[in-house]
Amino acid sequence: DVKVTQSSRYLVKRTGEKVFLECVQDMDHENMFWYRQDPGLGLRLIYFSYDVKMKEKGDIPEGYSVSREKKERFSLILESASTNQTSMYLCASSFGASRHNEQFFGPGTRLTVL
Amino acid sequence: QKEVEQDPGPLSVPEGAIVSLNCTYSNSAFQYFMWYRQYSRKGPELLMYTYSSGNKEDGRFTAQVDKSSKYISLFIRDSQPSDSATYLCAMCSNDYKLSFGAGTTVTVRA
Repeated sequence: DVKVTQSSRYLVKRTGEKVFLECVQDMDHENMFWYRQDPGLGLRLIYFSYDVKMKEKGDIPEGYSVSREKKERFSLILESASTNQTSMYLCASSFGASRHNEQFFGPGTRLTVL
Repeated sequence: QKEVEQDPGPLSVPEGAIVSLNCTYSNSAFQYFMWYRQYSRKGPELLMYTYSSGNKEDGRFTAQVDKSSKYISLFIRDSQPSDSATYLCAMCSNDYKLSFGAGTTVTVRA
């Protein structure tokens, strides 16, 4: 079974803090993704990575950065957290050349910024 | 205008009813169409996948794609309380980025 794990299920941070969200997958997937999910807006892509040390901006990259030093690990960084970054954050991974483009998701991290 | 439009509901049906969900899209390059199911406090999981116009059945679930109308549907027959979840449509072209609908929350009442 593919497993995507995220470092925290719930996180509470203060405005201005630096926040790290970690994601690890165990299926040797090339692609990894970070989304945020908000009511009525669905999943919006923040950043994705198609190889180690490679990254591309998604639809809403402002205020976020990412790091992929190892194939299995993809980190999302909020340099200076703000209240509008309160959201559910979902990590996903997929094979590089998958005909289905199926993405496997982690359980999510609910981040609250006070 | 969003690339993928999906009515967020919520939708409440009695057990045994047919659930009908749908999405419309604007990008004619989309070729692969998926439905994900997301239970409360969990990540989405793939439910159905199709890449051609027409119907695809898997047990109580039928996915339907009409590329000419840019319209996809998911039908759940004989719905069960365990089907209560949020259903998200997703689609992509030839790259590996998915575009998601907003998700429809479904409650099946026992």
